Amino acid sequence: AQSVSQHNHHVILSEAASLELGCNYSYGGTVNLFWYVQYPGQHLQLLLKYFSGDPLVKGIKGFEAEFIKSKFSFNLRKPSVQWSDTAEYFCAVLIQGAQKLVFGQGTRLTINP
Amino acid sequence: NAGVTQTPKFQVLKTGQSMTLQCAQDMNHEYMSWYRQDPGMGLRLIHYSVGAGITDQGEVPNGYNVSRSTTEDFPLRLLSAAPSQTSVYFCASNVGPNTGELFFGEGSRLTVL
Repeated sequence: AQSVSQHNHHVILSEAASLELGCNYSYGGTVNLFWYVQYPGQHLQLLLKYFSGDPLVKGIKGFEAEFIKSKFSFNLRKPSVQWSDTAEYFCAVLIQGAQKLVFGQGTRLTINP
Repeated sequence: NAGVTQTPKFQVLKTGQSMTLQCAQDMNHEYMSWYRQDPGMGLRLIHYSVGAGITDQGEVPNGYNVSRSTTEDFPLRLLSAAPSQTSVYFCASNVGPNTGELFFGEGSRLTVL
């Protein structure tokens, strides 16, 4: 079965630190990739997405992610985090034709001021 | 523009009771889905629909029923609630199943005693 793995369950950083959250998926065919964010008490919203083209995609709030097909990875990065980035981050994979978005377990990010 | 609206936001049930979580969207999206969110497990797909009159099972459909009589509405029914169904439920919609960009409701927190 297709799966999405997020290696870090809880990440704690100080403001201005750099961030990288890992995401790997297990599927050999064509996929579309997403990162969603859930701020405390809110619903999920799209952070960024990759469909095709440049494997380095930029999203909102200074986030970016790189698709490395050979590693089945789509890691999320931000050069300098802020306290307001405290949230839970979910990686998701859409398998073309499957009509279903599969989510990872989520990574809780805590930024200390 | 309301987007995706879920009701109720909170509900406490006793084991064996039934209830319906309502979901409505006003974006004329064909694709709607229900997820449950549990700590450490991310979001898991319960049921989805690719259009009025068409529904299908996701990863964890047992104990839940859905119907899609209109484009706008996609209710989720718990026929006989169990403590294992204690969770936060999210309804989502998008333009089509292969876009992957979901619009989420604010969630419904259900506790089954």
